[in-house]
Amino acid sequence: GAVVSQHPSRVICKSGTSVKIECRSLDFQATTMFWYRQFPKQSLMLMATSNEGSKATYEQGVEKDKFLINHASLTLSTLTVTSAHPEDSSFYICSARGTSGLEQFFGPGTRLTVL
Amino acid sequence: AQSVTQLDSQVPVFEEAPVELRCNYSSSVSVYLFWYVQYPNQGLQLLLKYLSGSTLVKGINGFEAEFNKSQTSFHLRKPSVHISDTAEYFCAVSESGNTPLVFGKGTRLSVIA
Repeated sequence: GAVVSQHPSRVICKSGTSVKIECRSLDFQATTMFWYRQFPKQSLMLMATSNEGSKATYEQGVEKDKFLINHASLTLSTLTVTSAHPEDSSFYICSARGTSGLEQFFGPGTRLTVL
Repeated sequence: AQSVTQLDSQVPVFEEAPVELRCNYSSSVSVYLFWYVQYPNQGLQLLLKYLSGSTLVKGINGFEAEFNKSQTSFHLRKPSVHISDTAEYFCAVSESGNTPLVFGKGTRLSVIA
């Protein structure tokens, strides 16, 4: 149980385009979802926290207008990178927490490459 | 606010030798502690977790960790490593069910044949 999926697993796009990444909890209800970003050979940095039906809370330094997060249901959260640029190229990982509240379950990640 | 320090960025070790990956945390309240493993170009896999109870926690792939509250540590150990254990290992802490995980910078374990 407690499976989180991400789609797509890999995406390549041109500079200036927008990219949407989906994160789904497959077998549990995710009251809270988190989005992390990981640069090569570095740790995971929290970008934002979202609760179902509420606006996301962004970490300091993360542009909310550039990284749009929607958590419209208890099983789906989306991250949209708007007007992507090469510096946005990174590995994006989502995680979800259910009603028990003690553990985060991670998706497999999405590799974004902006040309 | 909580923070996590992984003291070693890289740990090389020979196959079948024991290994310890160190993790220290900083928090003013009770914490939940986790170790994750990440293989190249993949997501995170949970190795083990400490939520409460016994301070010695056993996880998958023969790994174990011991929670030491007085030393604010949660070191990861394996008595005999395999080539397949070569990966990045992350220690993470959460102060409560409402706060997100905070990760250490990771330790690259390289197992040498």
